[in-house]
Amino acid sequence: TQLLEQSPQFLSIQEGENLTVYCNSSSVFSSLQWYRQEPGEGPVLLVTVVTGGEVKKLKRLTFQFGDARKDSSLHITAAQPGDTGLYLCAGTTSGTYKYIFGTGTRLKVLA
Amino acid sequence: ETGVTQSPTHLIKTRGQQVTLRCSSQSGHNTVSWYQQALGQGPQFIFQYYREEENGRGNFPPRFSGLQFPNYSSELNVNALELDDSALYLCASSLLAGASQETQYFGPGTRLLVL
Repeated sequence: TQLLEQSPQFLSIQEGENLTVYCNSSSVFSSLQWYRQEPGEGPVLLVTVVTGGEVKKLKRLTFQFGDARKDSSLHITAAQPGDTGLYLCAGTTSGTYKYIFGTGTRLKVLA
Repeated sequence: ETGVTQSPTHLIKTRGQQVTLRCSSQSGHNTVSWYQQALGQGPQFIFQYYREEENGRGNFPPRFSGLQFPNYSSELNVNALELDDSALYLCASSLLAGASQETQYFGPGTRLLVL
């Protein structure tokens, strides 16, 4: 059974601080996606990474896919209250229909 | 705004009842996936439909069933509701099935409470 564990589960930080969220698995994924979900809404895709070691940047967010494609990290620089939300990673294997979602990291950025 | 809508937004049912949840995909998207998200958890894959046929299924019992229609709408039906079925139900539409880099567009979800 493929599982994705995220850590930490909860994170409460002050505006301006940096943070890293981790997504780990014992399984290999052909691609991994990061989503942010806000209350009352569905998840919104932030990025897709597909190559081992790949790094992608989206403004203050930096995403990395592990060399072995079993893990990923999301780093936020100078967090802002607008970054508050549930961050989810989701992995899939090539040719399959199924996205395995992680357990989620709930981030709260205090002004 | 993803262009994916779901109805109703909230629903309360009692144990043993049946429920139908509806989703309207983005125009042109042939693929719809349904997920169950329990409180404090990540979404769990229920099943996927591609061009009106079930394309794959997660670890959910047969009392969870679905339909997809030619007009890009779809339904999730749950029979014999149990208390543990209380969750946020999300649908996600995409253009292609089985493409690992495909973007899924999620609707806002239907929150189901089973008493």
